[in-house]
Amino acid sequence: DTGVSQDPRHKITKRGQNVTFRCDPISEHNRLYWYRQTLGQGPEFLTYFQNEAQLEKSRLLSDRFSAERPKGSFSTLEIQRTEQGDSAMYLCANDIGDYGYTFGSGTRLTVV
Amino acid sequence: DAKTTQPPSMDCAEGRAANLPCNHSTISGNEYVYWYRQIHSQGPQYIIHGLKNNETNEMASLIITEDRKSSTLILPHATLRDTAVYYCIVNGYGQNFVFGPGTRLSVLP
Repeated sequence: DTGVSQDPRHKITKRGQNVTFRCDPISEHNRLYWYRQTLGQGPEFLTYFQNEAQLEKSRLLSDRFSAERPKGSFSTLEIQRTEQGDSAMYLCANDIGDYGYTFGSGTRLTVV
Repeated sequence: DAKTTQPPSMDCAEGRAANLPCNHSTISGNEYVYWYRQIHSQGPQYIIHGLKNNETNEMASLIITEDRKSSTLILPHATLRDTAVYYCIVNGYGQNFVFGPGTRLSVLP
């Protein structure tokens, strides 16, 4: 148990459908990150929140992607009109200070 | 882009030490070296980090060269459960972690 929970663990969706993933972070850590990982590659930064404020977004985050963190607690990542290229593992992480990040187990998205 | 270079893969015999190298020739004075590993279908897991001194914890040792341009992660007695992808990351305060493709370590029985 890493302390960061992600739901669902796996999601299969048809191309064109919308999907939403949830991340429940370690409650006392106010920075939350989303990363995407495709097969054989390291995780790629998507966006991060300081409390409820979204402070940075990667150019990978197209306008079909939106992330929220209401009240600075859990976060959601929504992908609209999914494409096959969106198939990946989506990882959420907390910044735990000097020890870097604690990652969740991720949500594996497959777009068919 | 990642600021580190690692070999794509390595093998190690079970029970032997695994020495994973990392080059970070453009590291800045205030940037730390972090090591993470990722076991199949899980999120990356923190292993160890350091600035310029060698570090050791219950998982591994980190040896950083005096010029800080390279480092080595040492798993003293590798087990089959250490088979994973190992990422070396250079990171300064306020920066987002940038992962490269890492080193795929295979521990062989």
